[in-house]
Order: sequence, then C-alpha cells, then structure tokens
Amino acid sequence: AQKVTQAQTEISVVEKEDVTLDCVYETRDTTYYLFWYKQPPSGELVFLIRRNSFDEQNEISGRYSWNFQKSTSSFNFTITASQVVDSAVYFCASVSGGYNKLIFGAGTRLAVHP
Amino acid sequence: NAGVTQTPKFQVLKTGQSMTLQCAQDMNHEYMSWYRQDPGMGLRLIHYSVGAGITDQGEVPNGYNVSRSTTEDFPLRLLSAAPSQTSVYFCASRDSGANTDTQYFGPGTRLTVL
Repeated sequence: AQKVTQAQTEISVVEKEDVTLDCVYETRDTTYYLFWYKQPPSGELVFLIRRNSFDEQNEISGRYSWNFQKSTSSFNFTITASQVVDSAVYFCASVSGGYNKLIFGAGTRLAVHP
Repeated sequence: NAGVTQTPKFQVLKTGQSMTLQCAQDMNHEYMSWYRQDPGMGLRLIHYSVGAGITDQGEVPNGYNVSRSTTEDFPLRLLSAAPSQTSVYFCASRDSGANTDTQYFGPGTRLTVL
C-alpha cells in the first residue's frame, strides 16, 4: 500500500536559518510521482514540485531544494535562509498506480520567527 | 482562467441536513477529485472522476455522493450531515496527459456540522 510519512509535526526556526523537511514514502510500484505542496495561513494549497520515480536528480529553485533518494525512499525539502513568508504547513504526497489517488503525509508546520 | 473554484467558502450545517459543495474548473481537465483535510491527517481522498459520467470512491467515501455530468463541474453531496464531517474540503483537477499529472487545488470549503 502507498504511504507517506512526515515525521516532523512542527518545526520552529529563526529567520535566515536553513531548515529541512523530511518525507519518507512507501510504494510497491516502480513508476510513481512525488510532490510537495505548501499551505500558507490563508489555507490554499500551492504546488511546489513534482518528481517522477525515474529522475533522481536533485532540484534547486531559488531558496528551495529537493533531495530525492530512492535508496532510502526519501524526498526531503530544504529551505535555505528561511524567511517569515515561508511559515506554512508543507505536505509531501505521492501518486502511483491509481493515477488520481494522491496520498498525502500528515504535513509539517513550519514557523519562521523574525 | 479562474482555475478551480469552490463554493461556498464557509458553511455551517445542523446534523441531518443535506447540502452540495460546488466545484468547477475551466481548464478542460479530465480528472477531478474531492479531498477532506482534518488536523494532523493531511488530505484524504473522498471521491474522484476520470471524466464526465465516470466516478469512483477514494479512501473515505462514506456519507458523500458525487456525479460528473459535465467536464467542468464536480459537485460533492452530503446526504445527511454528521459532526464527523466537519472538515475543510478541497476540490482538485488535473489534465490527463502523461506529463501534466500535477493536481491543482481549489481554495477550499470550511464546513462545520453542529
């Protein structure tokens, strides 16, 4: 069965600190996709990144970077030099097989303090 | 493009009442889904549709009905509301193309059942 685990419930950092959000996934499929979404205090879900199982290249987008490691079934998300605007709940998710069934982790609440 | 829209934004119901949460998208997406978000549990899939006239159950379908008469609309019906259905409901859509498998979410409907 598909499962996504975000072991960190809440993280609190001071502005300009680097922070890594962990995501561990379980799937029996060889083809799958992994996602990160951001949910700011306003409540909407903002898509951040999608990764497919055949592409283990790390990705960097500005202050955001993602580390995908199939060997440890992890898809971790790092924010460099965090800012107050990064305060949000971050969800890791996966989809495989039943293509429309996006499975979410429980989320990590990140609080960045000035 | 308005993207994915949901109405209402907020709703309070009494136990036993029925109502329909509306969801519409203007991107001509084949796939649409309904999720509910509860504290500490991430988002869970209620029902989904892979095209007009085709729907299927997700992880937590009990107490909810859906239909898909057009590509644009995917309403979610609560037949007899229960306090356990107090939640935030998100509608999502995505294209069916192989490289466009990212789901885009509406702004959410916050439902309280008393």
